[in-house]
Order: sequence, then structure tokens, then C-alpha cells
Amino acid sequence: DAGITQSPRHKVTETGTPVTLRCHQTENHRYMYWYRQDPGHGLRLIHYSYGVKDTDKGEVSDGYSVSRSKTEDFLLTLESATSSQTSVYFCAISEGDGYTFGSGTRLTVV
Amino acid sequence: SQKIEQNSEALNIQEGKTATLTCNYTNYSPAYLQWYRQDPGRGPVFLLLIRENEKEKRKERLKVTFDTTLKQSLFHITASQPADSATYLCALDERSGGSYIPTFGRGTSLIVHP
Repeated sequence: DAGITQSPRHKVTETGTPVTLRCHQTENHRYMYWYRQDPGHGLRLIHYSYGVKDTDKGEVSDGYSVSRSKTEDFLLTLESATSSQTSVYFCAISEGDGYTFGSGTRLTVV
Repeated sequence: SQKIEQNSEALNIQEGKTATLTCNYTNYSPAYLQWYRQDPGRGPVFLLLIRENEKEKRKERLKVTFDTTLKQSLFHITASQPADSATYLCALDERSGGSYIPTFGRGTSLIVHP
């Protein structure tokens, strides 16, 4: 299995501040995804990438931007964090038959 | 609109019985359907994938069926054990342009009682 790590694992930030979450993979998988998971909503796709500098929006992209300047790194940025963005964020890669997820980042916006 | 439905109520069963979880979908033409297990505080873990032209797939104590006419998948765990207690998610892969975009259901919690 590809190594996939997310950082940080936990973060508390104030409303209005910018926040960047990082997803790192150790193999050259083309597709990477950012999801958020909230009670009652399940996993919802924020953005995904199909290659370096190639990204597209998902279901809940408002308030988020992404960048992929290297194959191994996919960054998710909240330009100005709001309380509604308090959530658990998961990164995933497409690997073989399924998707492999990171351990998640628990973000709290106060 | 596109929709994936999984039973939001927890499924409680006795150890040794077969657990059956349901995934229904509307307005999709999925190429693949997948099942995942998620434990509290952790990311989902891939279990099984079934393709649109397959009716059934097995892996050890797990069995998945896929009925594209009914737009339904059933996920079975035979001889269930307390260690099988977790939330199980189904996911559909639908082709969008040149990409496959996975969409997940909200999951069903399974509790296996000893």
C-alpha cells in the first residue's frame, strides 16, 4: 500500500485565519482527493486532483482552494476559516481497486 | 439529484449471525461500487469492489452483490464477530470526463454482540 500521511492531525484555529492542510503520498499516484466528514453528512468531496497542477471542484468546494505542485503533495487551503469548516478532513488516493485514506485532520475553528 | 442511501439506524446482531447491509442509489450509472469499513477516529479502509457487469463478489467472510436494475448493493458478513463492529460505507465510482469520481454514502453502523 502507498504511504499516505496527513498533517497536522489536529488543529484549532480562529475564525478568519488562513489554514493549510497537507496530504503527502510516497508513490506516484495520479489521483488525490480531499473530503470532509461531518455527522449526518458522511464524506463529501471538496476538491480532487488528476495530476500536477490539474485540479477540479467537488461537491462542497466553496471556501476551499487546493494546489498540487508536486505529484506527492496535495494541499488544501481554507483562505479565511469559518466555524462551518470545523470538521474532520480526509485525504485519499486512488490505488488499485479502491481508495486509500489518510488518518485525517481534525480541524476546529473557534 | 444524485443520491446514495444507507440505513442510518445501527444494525445490532448476535455473534455468529450474518449481517446484511444495504446500499441503494438513484440517478447514478456507476462503473464500480465499493465497500469500506471505518472505525471511530480513523479513515475508511477499502474492503471490496464490484464492477457493473458483476453480480457477486466474495472475500473470506464478506460477500457483495450488485443489482444495477434495482440500483442496490447488499453487503454480507457471515459468522460475524464483535471485532466486525464498525461503520460500513458504500461508495460509487462514476465516470466524469476522464476521471472517476467516488461518492460515498453516510454509512451504517454495525454492532455485533457477544
